Amino acid sequence: SQTIHQWPATLVQPVGSPLSLECTVEGTSNPNLYWYRQAAGRGLQLLFYSVGIGQISSEVPQNLSASRPQDRQFILSSKKLLLSDSGFYLCAWGAEGYNEQFFGPGTRLTVL
Amino acid sequence: AQSVSQHNHHVILSEAASLELGCNYSYGGTVNLFWYVQYPGQHLQLLLKYFSGDPLVKGIKGFEAEFIKSKFSFNLRKPSVQWSDTAEYFCAAAGNKLTFGGGTRVLVKP
Repeated sequence: SQTIHQWPATLVQPVGSPLSLECTVEGTSNPNLYWYRQAAGRGLQLLFYSVGIGQISSEVPQNLSASRPQDRQFILSSKKLLLSDSGFYLCAWGAEGYNEQFFGPGTRLTVL
Repeated sequence: AQSVSQHNHHVILSEAASLELGCNYSYGGTVNLFWYVQYPGQHLQLLLKYFSGDPLVKGIKGFEAEFIKSKFSFNLRKPSVQWSDTAEYFCAAAGNKLTFGGGTRVLVKP
């Protein structure tokens, strides 16, 4: 069966520091991978998605970037965090297209 | 642009009460519809989905949803809620991409 991992579970970082959140998927090949940010009352905002290694599409311009160095690894990064980057970040994978997606446990990021 | 709206941000009800959460989407083409649920401290997980066929969809834990194409709606229902249904519920639509509504926080009082 497929599983999706995210780490760390929680993170507290100072403003201006770098960020690296990691997501890995097991039990599937060539998944579509997604990064979302969940904000209270605003649902899930799609940040990035990837249909293959090295292929990244950005949905919303911002202070973050994403990379996919391996088939089942998806990384969310920032060179300098802003206060507004605080939030709950979810990674998800889907088999194809924009249909059912499966979500990881999320990372709670607090920028101070 | 594709969008999904959920009418209620917060719902509070007592055990055994009936629940209905509204969801409307805007997309002109064929769309797949989902309800996801996030229990406190747990992963976001799929509650039910509609791709085609019978517009009344049965999901896990006694939930169902009805797709009404003419109204662009996919409302979620449960006839009798339990305290364990306390969670946040998200409607989502997949047309050219998967788009989520803003979520509805449901609190069931014991």
